[in-house]
This record gives sequence, structure tokens and C-alpha cells, in this order.
Amino acid sequence: EAQVTQNPRYLITVTGKKLTVTCSQNMNHEYMSWYRQDPGLGLRQIYYSMNVEVTDKGDVPEGYKVSRKEKRNFPLILESPSPNQTSLYFCASSFLRDRVPPNEKLFFGSGTQLSVL
Amino acid sequence: AQKITQTQPGMFVQEKEAVTLDCTYDTSDQSYGLFWYKQPSSGEMIFLIYQGSYDEQNATEGRYSLNFQKARKSANLVISASQLGDSAMYFCAMREGYNTDKLIFGTGTRLQVFP
Repeated sequence: EAQVTQNPRYLITVTGKKLTVTCSQNMNHEYMSWYRQDPGLGLRQIYYSMNVEVTDKGDVPEGYKVSRKEKRNFPLILESPSPNQTSLYFCASSFLRDRVPPNEKLFFGSGTQLSVL
Repeated sequence: AQKITQTQPGMFVQEKEAVTLDCTYDTSDQSYGLFWYKQPSSGEMIFLIYQGSYDEQNATEGRYSLNFQKARKSANLVISASQLGDSAMYFCAMREGYNTDKLIFGTGTRLQVFP
């Protein structure tokens, strides 16, 4: 089954304790992205990757890191989490736009609800 | 400037009635795509419908249709014959230009369907 798998589904941590949220897709997608969702703000892009070893900042990258060592995996790393990073996080993937019809949608993971105390 | 605007934080509709969720967008690109996603209380993002900027016909997918008015830059979602299971948050999103795969999202509209 084609899917984007995020783990964990829920995470409670304390300020400053490094954490990683994993994301894996089995559709051979080049493009992967992380979003955070906050009430009243919708989804905002944190980082994205166009292919292996190619990553770039989105709209709200501060406090986050990513890596793309393999095509299928795109972990989100919070080196020193702070309470303002409490949010619902989504990983998403798709083929690159120039390879597919324009209606190619983003496939989303199930989300990770993160609480930083 | 807000690229995607959803002005209705919440909407109520009675079961079996139709409802329209508003979405306006701002772009100077000629080529762009508009998407609607549904987010039920379980949290996942479910793709509903897509409209391309060059599509002449309004998109339809089952009970969902997109009322695309290009000159007004609006892409409203119409849900016909609402069901209780339609209660969810709905997001409008845009992918603009040829060289980006990024989706820009609106702030969402929470729809509540009552019996």
C-alpha cells in the first residue's frame, strides 16, 4: 500500500531534549516536505527536499533540521525543542512537478502531535 | 500578503443540504493548481479535489465540486448532500508556478454537519 509513515504519532518532551520525528515513503517520490499545523495559521512549510542530499528551507525553518540521506526517508530533527514548537507536524511527499501531471497531489503522513513542556 | 484566504473559520450545515466553503487566492503566475484537503478529527489529511488554472471546466469528484472563478481568484468547494461524516476541517491550498512543488495552505474552515 502506498503510504507516508510518520513516527511517533504522539510525543511529549521537555525543553532542550533533542528529538527526531521519522518519515518514510514507499512511492519512490523525489519531493518530500515537512509542515507544521497551528490553530488559526493553517499548515506552514518547515523544510523540503527535492531529492537525496538536496534540502532547503521553507517558511518556518528556525529551530529545525532535516536530512535526506536516502530517497525514502526524511527525518525532522529538533536539536533543542522549545514550547513554541508544540504543534501538529506533517510529512508529505510527491513526485516532482515536472515529471507528473499538474494535479499530482501531496501524500501526507498521519501527523505527529508534539508537546514541548 | 496572504496567498490563500479562507474567511470562514466555522460553518454549520444540516444533513442532506449543500454547503459552500470559500477560498480566494493571490498569485501573479499564469500556471497554478488549487487543491482542497479534508482533515477529520483523527488528524490525517485527505485529498478531495484539484483544479488547474488552465482547466476550463469546474472540477468534480463525487459530492465535491469546485466553483472556480478565475477572474475573481476564487476556488470555492461545494459539498452536495452533506453527511455527518463530512464534519471536519477543510483546507484550501495552492501550488503556483512551474518550478515549485510547495503547497501553500489557507487557515482552514471547520465544518459541522448536524442531523
